[in-house]
Amino acid sequence: AQSVTQLGSHVSVSEGALVLLRCNYSSSVPPYLFWYVQYPNQGLQLLLKYTTGATLVKGINGFEAEFKKSETSFHLTKPSAHMSDAAEYFCAVSEWDYKLSFGAGTTVTVRA
Amino acid sequence: DADVTQTPRNRITKTGKRIMLECSQTKGHDRMYWYRQDPGLGLRLIYYSFDVKDINKGEISDGYSVSRQAQAKFSLSLESAIPNQTALYFCATSDSVAGEQETQYFGPGTRLLVL
Repeated sequence: AQSVTQLGSHVSVSEGALVLLRCNYSSSVPPYLFWYVQYPNQGLQLLLKYTTGATLVKGINGFEAEFKKSETSFHLTKPSAHMSDAAEYFCAVSEWDYKLSFGAGTTVTVRA
Repeated sequence: DADVTQTPRNRITKTGKRIMLECSQTKGHDRMYWYRQDPGLGLRLIYYSFDVKDINKGEISDGYSVSRQAQAKFSLSLESAIPNQTALYFCATSDSVAGEQETQYFGPGTRLLVL
């Protein structure tokens, strides 16, 4: 069975600074990996996903993530934070059974 | 219009009451899911359905039941609500087309308070 660990339940960054959200997973098979974002009072929106192929994945709103099999990681980054990036971010994994297992989430606040 | 809709968006009920949360989708997807979100726990899968005749339990199905009335509709019921079912509930859908099966699309959520 798969599991997901997100390091840090809260991250605070200054506007214009690097955003780095950490995600580690455990899986018995090569997984599908996802990052979702949840803005206040909204549902989850897909930021990006890794299925196969290139390990550096680019998503919406300037975010990207890199799949590192040897480290079982899928960390999310954005070079320059914007106030609109304030939200909760969820890492998720699927083992080809089309069910998602989610991490606990990381709340990002952006300081002006 | 939203592709995945949930009704109601907010609900307050009392312990022991039966309630139903409804989900409808216009994406034409075969697969539908119900999750609950609790602070610090992320989202956990309650039930899922890969087509109209297919219903499967997720990791936390106790106290819940579901009905897949049509391809586009998937309802979640709490037969006798209890306070620890207070949570934010999400419906999601995914396609069965190869290459798209793994991506889930979420509704806006239903916030449920059980007193």
